[in-house]
Amino acid sequence: DTEVTQTPKHLVMGMTNKKSLKCEQHMGHRAMYWYKQKAKKPPELMFVYSYEKLSINESVPSRFSPECPNSSLLNLHLHALQPEDSALYLCASSPPWGPGANVLTFGAGSRLTVL
Amino acid sequence: AQKITQTQPGMFVQEKEAVTLDCTYDTSDPSYGLFWYKQPSSGEMIFLIYQGSYDQQNATEGRYSLNFQKARKSANLVISASQLGDSAMYFCAMREGGYTGTASKLTFGTGTRLQVTL
Repeated sequence: DTEVTQTPKHLVMGMTNKKSLKCEQHMGHRAMYWYKQKAKKPPELMFVYSYEKLSINESVPSRFSPECPNSSLLNLHLHALQPEDSALYLCASSPPWGPGANVLTFGAGSRLTVL
Repeated sequence: AQKITQTQPGMFVQEKEAVTLDCTYDTSDPSYGLFWYKQPSSGEMIFLIYQGSYDQQNATEGRYSLNFQKARKSANLVISASQLGDSAMYFCAMREGGYTGTASKLTFGTGTRLQVTL
């Protein structure tokens, strides 16, 4: 099993809604990441969890709230978003040691539209 | 200042030909890692190849090779025998600092869109 699974694939929400993006991996990876990618731009790092603890927060607005309930799951809770938050949200994970250590495996992304 | 620079917004290559995608980087850290990812229109980022700053030999993975020129701070991706399925966006990325066994923070370049033609 060499996948990072993201749900939902597409999400449309209003500015007053509360929604969540979910990411799951069963590769035993202990680091998990959220990236945001606007159209025709490179991915930009938002958050990193290492061993289920938040290790990097790239000054992301508080309307984005990450959560790592266990070593396989990563959530991104969304509340009071703005239209400019519309983007592809990519989840990734990486193993701590061994072959492929430090290489990120990405999911297919959740495409978010904020109306 | 840009840490990763990809100067080719778009490239065309004929099927079965080789193509080189350029990437230059900027860091003062002696330990770093360089990565190439492919992003098809579906959105998923697919890992292609990795080069560590202390690796003596250029990395290769099947049809992909990384032309690592440390003094020039360049890490160009060479794709041999291009296929139609290679049409995608290609991103160069860098991890500054040595890998500590926890997380790997990557900074991406702006990407090069490769179109393979018949």
